[in-house]
Amino acid sequence: QVQLVESGGGVVQPGGSLRLSCAASGFTVNNFGMHWVRQAPGEGLKWVSYVRSDGTYTSYTDSVKGRFVISRDNPKNTVYLQMNSLRPEDTAIYYCARDRGGAEYLDYWGQGTLVTVSS
Amino acid sequence: QSALTQPRSVSGSPGQSVTISCTGTSSDVGGYNYVSWYQQYPGKAPKLLIYDVSKRPSGVPDRFSASKSGNTASLTISGLQAEDEADFYCCSYTGTYTLIFGGGTKLTVL
Repeated sequence: QVQLVESGGGVVQPGGSLRLSCAASGFTVNNFGMHWVRQAPGEGLKWVSYVRSDGTYTSYTDSVKGRFVISRDNPKNTVYLQMNSLRPEDTAIYYCARDRGGAEYLDYWGQGTLVTVSS
Repeated sequence: QSALTQPRSVSGSPGQSVTISCTGTSSDVGGYNYVSWYQQYPGKAPKLLIYDVSKRPSGVPDRFSASKSGNTASLTISGLQAEDEADFYCCSYTGTYTLIFGGGTKLTVL
């Protein structure tokens, strides 16, 4: 069955970096686009980033452009989110999700990994 | 870009129907037939309920239905059950592989 498992979250100081990983199983990642979506404590879902199946196209929400980089390693069936220059407002649970139809909807989600940016 | 507008909360009694609205603009909801809805229980990951405005993935009960008119999409839950109590989020494609979510609606089953 399709499974997505995020890892790499933790506590980091403002200005620091973290790399999140999303390991996929039950399907071949290189056939699908992948997204990262975040949810601040007590808040709603916010779309963060997308990478196309072949890795040649990426997109980001404005607030993370220039700081976050999404990438994928298809042989490892894994997607990454490199987060730099972290700010307290980046504190959230980060979910990876599988894309269907070219960023039309997200059909499977991981359980999320918590990122806390605090001094 | 601001989130799509959803009511913060709705409520209904078991067996009743409730509708959650999701208002955007011509650049998102009104511009594409790519509205999706997600259900999220506390402490859990979101789950896909509706895609392409009104299609249900296999396994989603037909009590959940959705539609769109202009810049507003709607999710209707009929025959409310206690297990439907959760947060619901709409989401729309906004062009060039980007998405935008609604602020979320908390459904309370009285």
